[in-house]
Amino acid sequence: AQSVTQLGSHVSVSEGALVLLRCNYSSSVPPYLFWYVQYPNQGLQLLLKYTSAATLVKGINGFEAEFKKSETSFHLTKPSAHMSDAAEYFCAVPSGNTGKLIFGQGTTLQVKP
Amino acid sequence: SAVISQKPSRDICQRGTSLTIQCQVDSQVTMMFWYRQQPGQSLTLIATANQGSEATYESGFVIDKFPISRPNLTFSTLTVSNMSPEDSSIYLCSVDRGHTEAFFGQGTRLTVV
Repeated sequence: AQSVTQLGSHVSVSEGALVLLRCNYSSSVPPYLFWYVQYPNQGLQLLLKYTSAATLVKGINGFEAEFKKSETSFHLTKPSAHMSDAAEYFCAVPSGNTGKLIFGQGTTLQVKP
Repeated sequence: SAVISQKPSRDICQRGTSLTIQCQVDSQVTMMFWYRQQPGQSLTLIATANQGSEATYESGFVIDKFPISRPNLTFSTLTVSNMSPEDSSIYLCSVDRGHTEAFFGQGTRLTVV
């Protein structure tokens, strides 16, 4: 069964520094991969999704992710962190063709002034 | 996109009681999903709610504890029955669009005392 692993439950960066949040998928190339963000006391918002049309995916709020088949990875990056980026980030993959999502463990991003 | 409204947004309940969470979508969808997010944890799927049939529960979740209704294509409810402090979580409603993107409600933050 497909799964995703997020390395690092907590990541702390300084404002203006590079953000790198890691996500690896488990087995066969999934048709889709997602990054969601959860701001405090809110639901989940889609940051970006991979659909096999392009390996480099640009999302909202300056985030992007690169799909690397050789590394089974879909890491999320942002060149310059902003205080408002502090949130919980989840990588997710579809469970077959059911509409269900399987989520990674989540990474809490802390941005220090 | 889809706009999902969940009610209540938060509640504090006594153990042994039940709480019904409502999820309203602004357009018709075939499947609706209910997830649980325990404190500091990732999201776990509770069940898939299909209109016109019984909900399909994931391993570890049972209908007696989490009864679900799906009376039409835009509405669903999840009841958390006979609550205990272990049920304190965020409960999220979700819908998908052709299995390519999932949209989430704001969540219901439940505290059981």
